[in-house]
Amino acid sequence: KQEVTQIPAALSVPEGENLVLNCSFTDSAIYNLQWFRQDPGKGLTSLLLIQSSQREQTSGRLNASLDKSSGRSTLYIAASQPGDSATYLCAAHNTNAGKSTFGDGTTLTVKP
Amino acid sequence: DAGVIQSPRHEVTEMGQEVTLRCKPISGHDYLFWYRQTMMRGLELLIYFNNNVPIDDSGMPEDRFSAKMPNASFSTLKIQPSEPRDSAVYFCASSSSQGTGELFFGEGSRLTVL
Repeated sequence: KQEVTQIPAALSVPEGENLVLNCSFTDSAIYNLQWFRQDPGKGLTSLLLIQSSQREQTSGRLNASLDKSSGRSTLYIAASQPGDSATYLCAAHNTNAGKSTFGDGTTLTVKP
Repeated sequence: DAGVIQSPRHEVTEMGQEVTLRCKPISGHDYLFWYRQTMMRGLELLIYFNNNVPIDDSGMPEDRFSAKMPNASFSTLKIQPSEPRDSAVYFCASSSSQGTGELFFGEGSRLTVL
């Protein structure tokens, strides 16, 4: 059974700092891994998806990496801004559709 | 495409009443998921469909919960009778097996049962 863990549960940083969010999974036979952002009272917005054959994906100030052998993915946020404050969740997809396993998320606060 | 569309966005009802939540997936997506999110339990998968057929409903908490997908563009999640412990945000999501399998969520339906 796939288990996904995100540590820490909460993180507070000053504006401008670079930061890394962590996601660990127990079953390395994943199809892809997806990072989401959730603002309070809102749905989950897809940020990046890394396919199992890839090692990283980049979008603007965001860079996500995937290391299947160690069961880890990281989300790197460069030059953080107060607008980045949100909860970030990762999800391991074990097939190209069907069930996914979500972590509990990391709540990020970027202080001006 | 407008994305995954859910209605209502907010629902306040009294215990014992029937609640129906609705979802329109992204056109062309063949997978549809219903999730529930609470502070205590996080994001839970309730049920998912493939090509309008329920594949796994093991996450449905009780017989009070039922879900249908009569066609590729519409699904409902029904709770009858509702109870205060059903209060949560219910999300619908969809994905396509043709491609990366990226999952897209709706804005959610916030249910409060008094």
